[in-house]
Amino acid sequence: SQTIHQWPATLVQPVGSPLSLECTVEGTSNPNLYWYRQAAGRGLQLLFYSVGIGQISSEVPQNLSASRPQDRQFILSSKKLLLSDSGFYLCAWRGEGMFDTQYFGPGTRLTVL
Amino acid sequence: AQSVTQLDSQVPVFEEAPVELRCNYSSSVSVYLFWYVQYPNQGLQLLLKYLSGSTLVKGINGFEAEFNKSQTSFHLRKPSVHISDTAEYFCAVSDLGSNYQLIWGAGTKLIIKP
Repeated sequence: SQTIHQWPATLVQPVGSPLSLECTVEGTSNPNLYWYRQAAGRGLQLLFYSVGIGQISSEVPQNLSASRPQDRQFILSSKKLLLSDSGFYLCAWRGEGMFDTQYFGPGTRLTVL
Repeated sequence: AQSVTQLDSQVPVFEEAPVELRCNYSSSVSVYLFWYVQYPNQGLQLLLKYLSGSTLVKGINGFEAEFNKSQTSFHLRKPSVHISDTAEYFCAVSDLGSNYQLIWGAGTKLIIKP
């Protein structure tokens, strides 16, 4: 069966520090991968998605970036965090079929102070 | 472009009472519809989905939803809620126009009153 992992679960970082959040998927190959953010009182915001290794689509302009160095690994990064980067970050995967369900990881709670 | 509207940001309801969470979408051409639930500090979990066939879809935890093409709606219902249903519920739609990527509603918080 497929599983999705995210780490760390929680993170407190000072403003201006770098960020690296990791997401890995097991039990599937060539998944579509997604990074979402939930800020307090706001819904799901799609940040990035990837249909294959090295293929990243950005949905919103920001100081975040994403990379997919391996088929089942998706990394969210920042060189310098802003206060507004605080939120709950969710990774998700979906199969290649148009009817495939999107499955979510447990999330990372990021607090920027 | 496709859009999804969840008009109610919060729905308070007494325990054991019925509940309906509303979801409307903008385009009715070959849509696929989903409801997800998010418990506090957790990821999202699929409740149910409509791809084709019967317009009444049953999901986990006693929830069901009805696809209404003429009203472009996909409302979620449960006949009797429990305190454990306290969560945020998200409606999502995918279609050819979005390259089958999910378009999300803003979410509805279900608050169960004892």
